[in-house]
Amino acid sequence: ILNVEQSPQSLHVQEGDSTNFTCSFPSSNFYALHWYRWETAKSPEALFVMTLNGDEKKKGRISATLNTKEGYSYLYIKGSQPEDSATYLCAFRDDYKLSFGAGTTVTVRA
Amino acid sequence: NAGVTQTPKFQVLKTGQSMTLQCAQDMNHEYMSWYRQDPGMGLRLIHYSVGAGITDQGEVPNGYNVSRSTTEDFPLRLLSAAPSQTSVYFCASSKGGDLSSEAFFGQGTRLTVV
Repeated sequence: ILNVEQSPQSLHVQEGDSTNFTCSFPSSNFYALHWYRWETAKSPEALFVMTLNGDEKKKGRISATLNTKEGYSYLYIKGSQPEDSATYLCAFRDDYKLSFGAGTTVTVRA
Repeated sequence: NAGVTQTPKFQVLKTGQSMTLQCAQDMNHEYMSWYRQDPGMGLRLIHYSVGAGITDQGEVPNGYNVSRSTTEDFPLRLLSAAPSQTSVYFCASSKGGDLSSEAFFGQGTRLTVV
């Protein structure tokens, strides 16, 4: 069982504020680190797949960074909007499998 | 463009009954997986497959069987349902051999065992 941890478990953000949260993962046998966005009553959808140490990815107001040597990734949301409310999952890929963290649930208050 | 299709969406079973959750993908993906989602625990891997005829156990395989006779289909069988198997189940697929490949998820099956 791979130890993929996300913190915090949940957070509340005021509309317009920026926020970030963490995913930590094993630093050995690293193939890729995934981030997914999961809205209530829907299926998880991929945000980013990062494979190289130092990778930075951006999609609109959401961005992510990766440090494979120390085993962590940050997800940033700039200028949070109510539609950003969701659970954000990270997943560590080793050879064939994805191991998921428990997620960070973000609630954006208008 | 169907993607990953799971059936049924909802199911209620009595303890001891058996059933099969169906999963099919039309993207010619080599990798397929089954996860269960329980409150506060994220997605836990039940079984996975890297191609037709090849399956392996994940983190929580007990009480479940899988087979992969074709690239498209990856059914999950509950042999004798128990209340502890009440959960939401997700099937996912991805390209094999491509490290940058994301996973695509089905819509989920909400299973209740009474």
